[in-house]
Parts: sequence; C-alpha cells; structure tokens
Amino acid sequence: AQKITQTQPGMFVQEKEAVTLDCTYDTSDPSYGLFWYKQPSSGEMIFLIYQGSYDQQNATEGRYSLNFQKARKSANLVISASQLGDSAMYFCAIRSRPGPLGGSQGNLIFGKGTKLSVKP
Amino acid sequence: DGGITQSPKYLFRKEGQNVTLSCEQNLNHDAMYWYRQDPGQGLRLIYYSQIVNDFQKGDIAEGYSVSREKKESFPLTVTSAQKNPTAFYLCASSVRTAYSNQPQHFGDGTRLSIL
Repeated sequence: AQKITQTQPGMFVQEKEAVTLDCTYDTSDPSYGLFWYKQPSSGEMIFLIYQGSYDQQNATEGRYSLNFQKARKSANLVISASQLGDSAMYFCAIRSRPGPLGGSQGNLIFGKGTKLSVKP
Repeated sequence: DGGITQSPKYLFRKEGQNVTLSCEQNLNHDAMYWYRQDPGQGLRLIYYSQIVNDFQKGDIAEGYSVSREKKESFPLTVTSAQKNPTAFYLCASSVRTAYSNQPQHFGDGTRLSIL
C-alpha cells in the first residue's frame, strides 16, 4: 500500500523568503509519480508540480521546485520568494503506474496537507 | 476554456434524502474521480471511472452511487445510507494513460451540509 506523510500541519513564512514543505512517501512500486497541489481557501485544487521516480533531475516550475531524494523517499516542495497569495493548504500525492486497463493502482493517494501562511 | 464544472457550490440535505452532485468536464478526459474532504484532512477517493459505462469503488464508497453514461459527465449521488455526509466534495478528471505522470485536474468543489 502507498502512503504519504506530511508532518507539518502548519507553517509560517515571511513574504519574499523561501519555504520548504516536507513530504515523505512509502511505496513498493518501482515506477511512481509524485504530485503537489495547492488548495486556497476557496477550495479548488491547483496542480503545481510533478516528479517522476525515474527523473534524473529535480522538477522545477517557476517559483516551485522539488527536492527529490529517492533513497530517503522524500519529495519536499520548495517555494521561493513567497508571496501573500501563496497562503493556502498544500498537498503531496503519489500515484503508481496504472495497470494495462487502468485500475486502482493509478489513483492518487494524498497526504493530510500543510497549511502555509505567508506574513507581510 | 476547458475545465471541470461542479454544481451546485453549496448543497443542503434533509434527513432521509438523496442528493446528486453534478460534475461535467470538457477536457476530453477518459478518467473521472470523486473525492471527499473533511476539515483538516486530505482527500479520500469515493468512486472513479476510467471509461464510459464503467466505474469502480474507491476507499469510501459506502452510502454513495455514481453513473457514467457520457464521457463528459460523472454525477455523484449521496444516498440516505450515508450517515455523515457533511463534507467538501471534489470531482477530478485526467487522461487515461499507462504512465503515472498525468495530473488530475479538479473542479471547484461542492460543500454539502445536513439541515
């Protein structure tokens, strides 16, 4: 069974500073993907960044980057130059490679999230 | 603009009543999903569908039902058998693929409360 652990229920960061949100995972599948989503107070889930288990380089997407340490099974999200609009819940999720007809293996497993608050 | 539309945004259920949450997508995605989110918690999978006329139970399917008659639509019915329906419900869709790199795209959610 796959599992995501986010150990920080809440984090504070000063505007314009960088912040790291932790995510550790557990899976026995050799091929998997890790996703980060942002959920503002309005409720929608916004896809931020993806890291594949076989990717050689850490993923980056604008101000978002992943610190992927495969041996440690961690995929921490780094947000650089924090903005007030970054205040939200952040969820880490894992998805293994689906079977030939899809199946439950391809479904996302989410962590419980980290609430990030950016201070002016 | 392509996207996922959930309606209504807020819904109230009376005791013993079934209610249906709508989810429509125009992203041409084969796969669709329903999640439940309780306060301070992550998302839990209720049902998913990889293709029209087929769907599978997720982790917490009891008290819920779905249909997938059209590719664009995946409505969720919260039945009277669901004793604790108060939650935030999110619908998602994705490309159906053999690779794990495709993200799920989400609607804005429906907040369901008991009267």
